Amino acid sequence: SAVISQKPSRDICQRGTSLTIQCQVDSQVTMMFWYRQQPGQSLTLIATANQGSEATYESGFVIDKFPISRPNLTFSTLTVSNMSPEDSSIYLCSAARGQGTDTQYFGPGTRLTVL
Amino acid sequence: LAKTTQPISMDSYEGQEVNITCSHNNIATNDYITWYQQFPSQGPRFIIQGYKTKVTNEVASLFIPADRKSSTLSLPRVSLSDTAVYYCLVGPMGGYNKLIFGAGTRLAVHP
Repeated sequence: SAVISQKPSRDICQRGTSLTIQCQVDSQVTMMFWYRQQPGQSLTLIATANQGSEATYESGFVIDKFPISRPNLTFSTLTVSNMSPEDSSIYLCSAARGQGTDTQYFGPGTRLTVL
Repeated sequence: LAKTTQPISMDSYEGQEVNITCSHNNIATNDYITWYQQFPSQGPRFIIQGYKTKVTNEVASLFIPADRKSSTLSLPRVSLSDTAVYYCLVGPMGGYNKLIFGAGTRLAVHP
């Protein structure tokens, strides 16, 4: 398994500002993913972050709004840029080693409120 | 990725067995069936994964019929702490592949 931590756990931000969320894994992983979850709703995949290459974004999500970094095999960041109240959500990262039957492990999430 | 359909919500009582069925009519040959559990204010947690027939671990059992167009997650003797949302996902095996979450089943266990 893998243990994943996220910082910050929650934040309240002003409209028009940006917030960077950090995701740290306790061991090296091949794949890292970022999700968004509205309260009471399911998870929506934002992008896949691979080390050494640009992130792959899902339909409806763009790099200018959600830039992602993946500098090494244990760390990734997601920035929510030029925030609006519609960006208020829980943001989760997950990781997987991509070996055999290994599946994804999720962080606890970052609860973001935009005023 | 195959689309999945599962009940929006279920209610049960402590000590009962709970069975949550997921339909995935368009499952592909190389797809596996994976279930995740999510408690409030936490990220999803892997429960069980299978390809065919029956898989059992310390948490649950997964029953998959021969045609693989559906699957049933079985939770034996649930407790209040099993109150959570349960997601059924279908896709290729391995962590290389992105997970597409459906609506999930909100299970409420009552005293």
